Amino acid sequence: NAGVTQTPKFRVLKTGQSMTLLCAQDMNHEYMYWYRQDPGMGLRLIHYSVGEGTTAKGEVPDGYNVSRLKKQNFLLGLESAAPSQTSVYFCASNDRRSYEQYFGPGTRLTVT
Amino acid sequence: RKEVEQDPGPFNVPEGATVAFNCTYSNSASQSFFWYRQDCRKEPKLLMSVYSSGNEDGRFTAQLNRASQYISLLIRDSKLSDSATYLCVVNRGSGTYKYIFGTGTRLKVLA
Repeated sequence: NAGVTQTPKFRVLKTGQSMTLLCAQDMNHEYMYWYRQDPGMGLRLIHYSVGEGTTAKGEVPDGYNVSRLKKQNFLLGLESAAPSQTSVYFCASNDRRSYEQYFGPGTRLTVT
Repeated sequence: RKEVEQDPGPFNVPEGATVAFNCTYSNSASQSFFWYRQDCRKEPKLLMSVYSSGNEDGRFTAQLNRASQYISLLIRDSKLSDSATYLCVVNRGSGTYKYIFGTGTRLKVLA
């Protein structure tokens, strides 16, 4: 039981490049989330999903897209990376009967 | 004003000390409250949920004051391993799974 995993762990992008971050969970959770964490800002919700095939915007969705084609996977895409997207990205999931969120280990992204 | 506010610290305390953190929230419709622990460069992990009646888990006690809109975390007999950042997390309201995270309070327990 791996819990929540994220790929990759680290990445450096040049401005304008694109990439996809993958989140996978093996706990059969319905809800999945993408957050970013910046110094002095706390975790901020980018997008979330309440089930396979559904996604919704969080508080900072601009510049990101997401997809949830399979229940266990939640993908975060950056179409044209900007230096302002340099951050640590965390994926999380929880069962709809519980408020406890389980987090992945994070992806450290630097955009130069 | 931030929706969830915490004193960033750091709180430097000697081993064995008792330390308390507060967190205030602005949305009176908030329903669920949590304390998460985050070690340096690691993911947040749930420490405890906070119930209206207050709850205790070993050396940790959490309290909720709805009238004044704050939650607290008390750590007794601090251990070196308690050194971490403690995040206050509030659920925005009934029926939503969107959570607001505080910026965290850093605790350093000194030998």
